[in-house]
Amino acid sequence: DIVLTQSPLSLPATPGEPASMSCRSSQSLLQKNGNNYLDWYLQKPGQSPQLLIYLGSKRASGVPDRFSGSGSGTDFTLKISRVEAEDVGVYYCMHALQSPPTFGQGTRVEIK
Amino acid sequence: QVNLVQSGAEVKKPGASVNVSCKGFGYAFISYGISWVRQAPGQGLEWMGWISGYNGDTNHAQRLQGRVAMTIDTSTNTAYMELRSLTSDDTAVYYCARQTTSITPLDYWGQGTLVTVSS
Repeated sequence: DIVLTQSPLSLPATPGEPASMSCRSSQSLLQKNGNNYLDWYLQKPGQSPQLLIYLGSKRASGVPDRFSGSGSGTDFTLKISRVEAEDVGVYYCMHALQSPPTFGQGTRVEIK
Repeated sequence: QVNLVQSGAEVKKPGASVNVSCKGFGYAFISYGISWVRQAPGQGLEWMGWISGYNGDTNHAQRLQGRVAMTIDTSTNTAYMELRSLTSDDTAVYYCARQTTSITPLDYWGQGTLVTVSS
């Protein structure tokens, strides 16, 4: 199975300031069609996960443009351009390259 | 508006089975699949398997093979997940999520069903 390693595990963030987190894959998630099969999810406290980014960099419907995904192959980054209080929670990356999809261990974002 | 509504919390004894349902609203049920993901207390997310809403084809996580069964009822737009031979390690919140195929994003999630396994 593909292993996804996220860092940092805990990220204190300041409202209005940028924040970023990393997801590294044990094998390339880039397919010949040019797509990177890496998604990002946010699980807010007490809620179900929600899709933020798919195919490495495409924002899901309704996701604010302060969230952006980048990267290719084995190294991916999720950036929040200006953190807001509502962005607290655990961010998970998940690969969708092959079965089984696997998740990273999560990065917990909290407000300083 | 797309919505997935799951059945309520369950308490089961070790060795028993549990059945969790997930009813889809606001979209063409047969055009999408449903994945099941679980989350043990304080832990991360674990994909369990996927079922096609079109023909019921399934794809299960290897570690659950033989213990999990996924079915759909297209007449009621409902997916079901049965987990057998429960142990305390199966205590978790179980989520269903809409997924076109088993390698596409999980774009809508149910509210989760807490399953507690305790003697």
